[in-house]
Amino acid sequence: DGGITQSPKYLFRKEGQNVTLSCEQNLNHDAMYWYRQDPGQGLRLIYYSQIVNDFQKGDIAEGYSVSREKKESFPLTVTSAQKNPTAFYLCASSMTPRSATYEQYFGPGTRLTVT
Amino acid sequence: EDKVVQSPLSLVVHEGDTVTLNCSYEVTNFRSLLWYKQEKKAPTFLFMLTSSGIEKKSGRLSSILDKKELFSILNITATQTGDSAIYLCAVLKTSYDKVIFGPGTSLSVIP
Repeated sequence: DGGITQSPKYLFRKEGQNVTLSCEQNLNHDAMYWYRQDPGQGLRLIYYSQIVNDFQKGDIAEGYSVSREKKESFPLTVTSAQKNPTAFYLCASSMTPRSATYEQYFGPGTRLTVT
Repeated sequence: EDKVVQSPLSLVVHEGDTVTLNCSYEVTNFRSLLWYKQEKKAPTFLFMLTSSGIEKKSGRLSSILDKKELFSILNITATQTGDSAIYLCAVLKTSYDKVIFGPGTSLSVIP
């Protein structure tokens, strides 16, 4: 089946540890995105990538890092520099953003809890 | 600063009611407005609106955009418990690289 997978669904880490969230898509989409969702704040963009080996910071990139070595994969690392990492993280992908029927497809999300 | 505002933030209705969800925006270089439904995990796409005054419909859901007044509404008629979800409004900019989301409206439909 085509789609976006994120793993794991739930992740628990101790403060001070880096953690990497996985995002894989088999939709042959060019663009991929990482969002953070906190209660009452909607989705906030962390990083996005329109092509392989290229990515840009979103609105809240501090304390996060990404890589885009393959078209299918866009992992997100939450570093110890991120002050409030506990949140729900959503990965999305889309066709070339200039597509007339632009639509972002979302993965099921990873809920990260840092104590 | 780009901003997308939704109202109300939460809403409780009875099955069969009709609801109207509001989305207003202040965004430079606006291209399109998007509506998503988020039930438990991943948001699912509902509508993309680019032109003013043209209603889009899908079953009991419909939406329209007013680019002069910078807002959109999402209507749901004859609500069902399965409509309970968070409804997200978002704006796509002409640069095509960013989608700016509003805070969402949490809708609960009770039997």
